Amino acid sequence: DADVTQTPRNRITKTGKRIMLECSQTKGHDRMYWYRQDPGLGLRLIYYSFDVKDINKGEISDGYSVSRQAQAKFSLSLESAIPNQTALYFCATSDLSGHTQYFGPGTRLTVL
Amino acid sequence: AQSVSQHNHHVILSEAASLELGCNYSYGGTVNLFWYVQYPGQHLQLLLKYFSGDPLVKGIKGFEAEFIKSKFSFNLRKPSVQWSDTAEYFCAVAYSGAGSYQLTFGKGTKLSVIP
Repeated sequence: DADVTQTPRNRITKTGKRIMLECSQTKGHDRMYWYRQDPGLGLRLIYYSFDVKDINKGEISDGYSVSRQAQAKFSLSLESAIPNQTALYFCATSDLSGHTQYFGPGTRLTVL
Repeated sequence: AQSVSQHNHHVILSEAASLELGCNYSYGGTVNLFWYVQYPGQHLQLLLKYFSGDPLVKGIKGFEAEFIKSKFSFNLRKPSVQWSDTAEYFCAVAYSGAGSYQLTFGKGTKLSVIP
């Protein structure tokens, strides 16, 4: 679904490196989310943003930061990557009702 | 904290068998309920959702789910599965406290359909 795009799609990095994952959407939604997916653990919310000036921590925000540069862009940063941050990362959007979230294709991140 | 439980980690079925995947949630207030599917190598796609009204919800690809409030359950069903239904299925609940509508996901159930 090209409405929500993520870059890069795959990334391999080393412990201690700074990494930024980017998400863009053309759905015109105000709300954006970052999740990580680990096998057997489902999806867990890292951060969410209800608009450009509203950023909120999710369930597992430690070690991550975000930036909402515009309504359409929401970036996730790992300031100093560690191996247990190896996961599949998904960005999602929803409208103001928050009723349904639409997911991007995911970024597979490997931290060596 | 609110939680979502999916009873089965991995389900293996033959084609044409019936499917039921369990989902229970812990919150007693107003909820919105979802089932998402993730085909191999792909992102999550919405299968169906329940907000209010008829507790039996029909989604895409012949899937349906029934909301039973007294049991805090939202089980997913399909009368006859196909090989193409092989995927991982996630139940999710949005708790409407403070209007946040954050989604809490279950851990997923992997479905393997054998031709």
